[in-house]
Amino acid sequence: GESVGLHLPTLSVQEGDNSIINCAYSNSASDYFIWYKQESGKGPQFIIDIRSNMDKRQGQRVTVLLNKTVKHLSLQIAATQPGDSAVYFCAEAHEIEDKIIFGKGTRLHILP
Amino acid sequence: GAVVSQHPSWVICKSGTSVKIECRSLDFQATTMFWYRQFPKQSLMLMATSNEGSKATYEQGVEKDKFLINHASLTLSTLTVTSAHPEDSSFYICSARVGGQGSEAFFGQGTRLTVV
Repeated sequence: GESVGLHLPTLSVQEGDNSIINCAYSNSASDYFIWYKQESGKGPQFIIDIRSNMDKRQGQRVTVLLNKTVKHLSLQIAATQPGDSAVYFCAEAHEIEDKIIFGKGTRLHILP
Repeated sequence: GAVVSQHPSWVICKSGTSVKIECRSLDFQATTMFWYRQFPKQSLMLMATSNEGSKATYEQGVEKDKFLINHASLTLSTLTVTSAHPEDSSFYICSARVGGQGSEAFFGQGTRLTVV
């Protein structure tokens, strides 16, 4: 289930199940979206990205969906593994402004 | 993928002193680097955009005189926290783009600053 902690919401998922992490972005002018994974004490690690002219993109075990109408982004992780435990951030960028702005983040907790 | 390295990984300094954090792109040239700050259990907040050979562009609310950024070469940007105070204690992270606008950005491993 999903719960909202003091700062970061946490999503708890059974190992082997699929995970869906959601994100609402703020700038309707953003045209590039990225998902990052951050493990404790480390910098963000690129997972997958998508441009505004697409609504779906698939990678290895991950899929990103983009709904520009409601400014919503989601990350689907198939067959979640213990190594997927981390904080996941969505980020948005605008080609002209050329800076990446991070969303609030979701902690993914894998249940054995 | 491209590698961005930060140094030091962690630093402890006394209140009132200055601390310099380095961000290097090891296997590519980066005309633009970005500096972020992250407090515990929070997201990354963009502090400034560092441009090689020109002044950095700071985000609203970030004191440019306190957080000095120098991007003297295509592979190195430095962030100096001047007259550090305990409230400056945070995780500082840099990133660099491999190509131009809209290209993938790679992040350093972060620098944990603790001001005592």
